[in-house]
Amino acid sequence: EAGVAQSPRYKIIEKRQSVAFWCNPISGHATLYWYQQILGQGPKLLIQFQNNGVVDDSQLPKDRFSAERLKGVDSTLKIQPAKLEDSAVYLCASSLEGATGNTIYFGEGSWLTVV
Amino acid sequence: GEDVEQSLFLSVREGDSSVINCTYTDSSSTYLYWYKQEPGAGLQLLTYIFSNMDMKQDQRLTVLLNKKDKHLSLRIADTQTGDSAIYFCAETNPDTGRRALTFGSGTRLQVQP
Repeated sequence: EAGVAQSPRYKIIEKRQSVAFWCNPISGHATLYWYQQILGQGPKLLIQFQNNGVVDDSQLPKDRFSAERLKGVDSTLKIQPAKLEDSAVYLCASSLEGATGNTIYFGEGSWLTVV
Repeated sequence: GEDVEQSLFLSVREGDSSVINCTYTDSSSTYLYWYKQEPGAGLQLLTYIFSNMDMKQDQRLTVLLNKKDKHLSLRIADTQTGDSAIYFCAETNPDTGRRALTFGSGTRLQVQP
């Protein structure tokens, strides 16, 4: 079974530029999560989708971050304009609808460096 | 809100046991997890425990839960150099609709040969 796919794996941009990350969840997984992991910290939830609807985006900095999951499958996370403090790993995860944490699967992450 | 705390660093010798500790604040947490993250890699689920359990053993891993003190620990027996990684404690409470994981800041385990 294919895992959660993310791209690009690595990205370096200058501050004030924009960047987009893509996630393809495991087939059939209705729930999709985006986490931000700053170096030396644990992952922090940015947004959670159930199919193509947003369940929780309370910690998403909406002035610069946006995310969508238009057809309830793939998702994109965009940052515009980027700040230095956005340097982090952006982890995508997916699970079946109604699943608990033991069945949440993580991708390998997209590493962002803002210079 | 929910908060999960861990010590930052642990160093052990190969063959010894490692004990990684975690405390959490949400007394309604129903599922507690341990994840492993190796350098440059994603998160790997190691084990989990339901809040109505005190202990769970899985090969070299033993999870102990003290619900009264809101304390979770992960014991790794016969620690190997391949166990060197960052270990994250996490919790959820699906009964409240909160299925997303809340993570601690991670404990870096260094295993010395």
